[in-house]
Amino acid sequence: DVKVTQSSRYLVKRTGEKVFLECVQDMDHENMFWYRQDPGLGLRLIYFSYDVKMKEKGDIPEGYSVSREKKERFSLILESASTNQTSMYLCASSSLGANYGYTFGSGTRLTVV
Amino acid sequence: AQKITQTQPGMFVQEKEAVTLDCTYDTSDPSYGLFWYKQPSSGEMIFLIYQGSYDQQNATEGRYSLNFQKARKSANLVISASQLGDSAMYFCAMREAFTMYSGGGADGLTFGKGTHLIIQP
Repeated sequence: DVKVTQSSRYLVKRTGEKVFLECVQDMDHENMFWYRQDPGLGLRLIYFSYDVKMKEKGDIPEGYSVSREKKERFSLILESASTNQTSMYLCASSSLGANYGYTFGSGTRLTVV
Repeated sequence: AQKITQTQPGMFVQEKEAVTLDCTYDTSDPSYGLFWYKQPSSGEMIFLIYQGSYDQQNATEGRYSLNFQKARKSANLVISASQLGDSAMYFCAMREAFTMYSGGGADGLTFGKGTHLIIQP
């Protein structure tokens, strides 16, 4: 069964901490994505990557960075966590092509206190 | 302008009834794909159905069908014989081929804001 795995389902961190959210896919997909999801705002793209070591900013990259050292792994980094980064974070991967949708991980609910 | 519009923030439907969730989209790209995802309260996003812009027939997957009206730029999801387990958020999404290859902006799916469907016994 093909899969996108996010390392944590629930996470609680303190303000100012450096936070790593890990995502691993086993489908050899080129593209990987990080979204955050907030009530009433839908899914907002933070960063995406179309190849190893490549990254592109999405709609709301401020306060975040990413790392893709291997094709299967895409990490989201909160350099100094703040309370307004409390959210649901969803990782996804896909092949190239308009007829390919995403495979999502099960999400990480991050609370920053 | 919104690329994907879902006009129904929430819907209540009786069990066993059919449900139509509305989705309209905006693109000038002749090649695109339309997708529907389900998100239960547990949070994971589950792929339901796909429609390509050049597909002649409406897509179907079990109890799900996509009512694709290209001229109206409409891609409504129809769920037949609804079940209690269908209660969830539903997202419509679009992926444009030109955006993907143009090198600019964010590649990938554009999502609507979602419809919260509640099936009542």
